[in-house]
Amino acid sequence: QKEVEQNSGPLSVPEGAIASLNCTYSDRGSQSFFWYRQYSGKSPELIMFIYSNGDKEDGRFTAQLNKASQYVSLLIRDSQPSDSATYLCAVNPLWGAGSYQLTFGKGTKLSVIP
Amino acid sequence: EAQVTQNPRYLITVTGKKLTVTCSQNMNHEYMSWYRQDPGLGLRQIYYSMNVEVTDKGDVPEGYKVSRKEKRNFPLILESPSPNQTSLYFCASRRTGLAVSYEQYFGPGTRLTVT
Repeated sequence: QKEVEQNSGPLSVPEGAIASLNCTYSDRGSQSFFWYRQYSGKSPELIMFIYSNGDKEDGRFTAQLNKASQYVSLLIRDSQPSDSATYLCAVNPLWGAGSYQLTFGKGTKLSVIP
Repeated sequence: EAQVTQNPRYLITVTGKKLTVTCSQNMNHEYMSWYRQDPGLGLRQIYYSMNVEVTDKGDVPEGYKVSRKEKRNFPLILESPSPNQTSLYFCASRRTGLAVSYEQYFGPGTRLTVT
């Protein structure tokens, strides 16, 4: 059973601070990792993807991947109230019949306090 | 505009009355999928399709059917809905191929209530 674990939160941070969201996964075969943002009642939207160990930066967002520890994180710098949402971690294996399947974590709810 | 559409967006129905939720994408994606999302349980996959006439079960297929007769459409069928199928449903699509970064695009969601 492939599992993706996230702290459900809520995680509260003050405006302008760094928000750190964490995700662990059980399947060592997982090769690509995605962070989705979901506002209440809306569909998930992709923020970042990463598949190599290390950091990947895109604007205020940085994804970090450590395959040895089976750990992926998302840092949001200069957090804004508009970042308040639920963040979903998703993983999938690269090869094989299941390579298009995404396994989602249950999400971490982030609240940015003005 | 590239998009995934779902209809209806909201539906209230009664136990046992067959219903279909439509899903259509205009991006020529091979892969399509249905998820349900419930509080505390996250997004769970119901069925997916790798291409026309190719469908397979996801994690929670019981009580659902799908078909893929055309590449763009992937309807979700509830032949005899029950209250435990009350949920928020999302359709999604993506390209297939070896590139790992192909984004999965989600539809706007269908909120279903079965009484």
